[in-house]
Amino acid sequence: QVQLVESGGSVVQPGRSLRLSCEGSGFTLSDYNTHWVRQAPGKGLEWVAILSYDGKTKGFADSVKGRFSLFRDNFNNMVHLQMSSLRTEDTAMYYCARDPTVIGGYYFDLWGRGTLLTVS
Amino acid sequence: YVLTQPPSVSVAPGQTARIPCEGNNIGSEAVHWYQQKPDQAPVLVVYDDRDRPSGIPDRFSDSKSANTATLTITTVEAGDEADYYCQMWNSSNDHVLFGGGTKLTVL
Repeated sequence: QVQLVESGGSVVQPGRSLRLSCEGSGFTLSDYNTHWVRQAPGKGLEWVAILSYDGKTKGFADSVKGRFSLFRDNFNNMVHLQMSSLRTEDTAMYYCARDPTVIGGYYFDLWGRGTLLTVS
Repeated sequence: YVLTQPPSVSVAPGQTARIPCEGNNIGSEAVHWYQQKPDQAPVLVVYDDRDRPSGIPDRFSDSKSANTATLTITTVEAGDEADYYCQMWNSSNDHVLFGGGTKLTVL
């Protein structure tokens, strides 16, 4: 079954670090760009980061730049979002999303069910 | 760059819903649309302005003018009640943008 599954969400104190993980199944995750999108409680969608299929492009929203990083584990078909210096405003459901484009024009044809981060 | 959507749109069953997404010169950009039902992940319903993923009915379509993209849902059903988000890629900074979302209520 083609799906994405996020894990790692938790309750953490401000200033701490946490790693979220996204595992692909039924397809090879490194054939696609992988994005993270978050949604604060009762709010809209906010793009967080992109890791390109070839690993050469990493991009981050201004709100997380310098605090979040991305890396890929091809052996386990996973992408990880490493978060540090967490703030209360980082509290959100974090979704992993697959992007089939090559260069630009990004969109998301497959989403995971999300993992919840609470910073408090 | 900002994508602006109305907070809510209401429509009776069987009627046509139109959800606008305003952005400066959005007519020259590829726009994508997502449906999100309560406590669920978003689902892509229209991409690259007019294409639909498999399983999405042709009741969902997109149109654009110079500064507005519009998701149109014809013959609206109760199951279409959801939040809808427009999205585009901002080539100037290689960032992804979402509109604020529109809650579609089926009366």
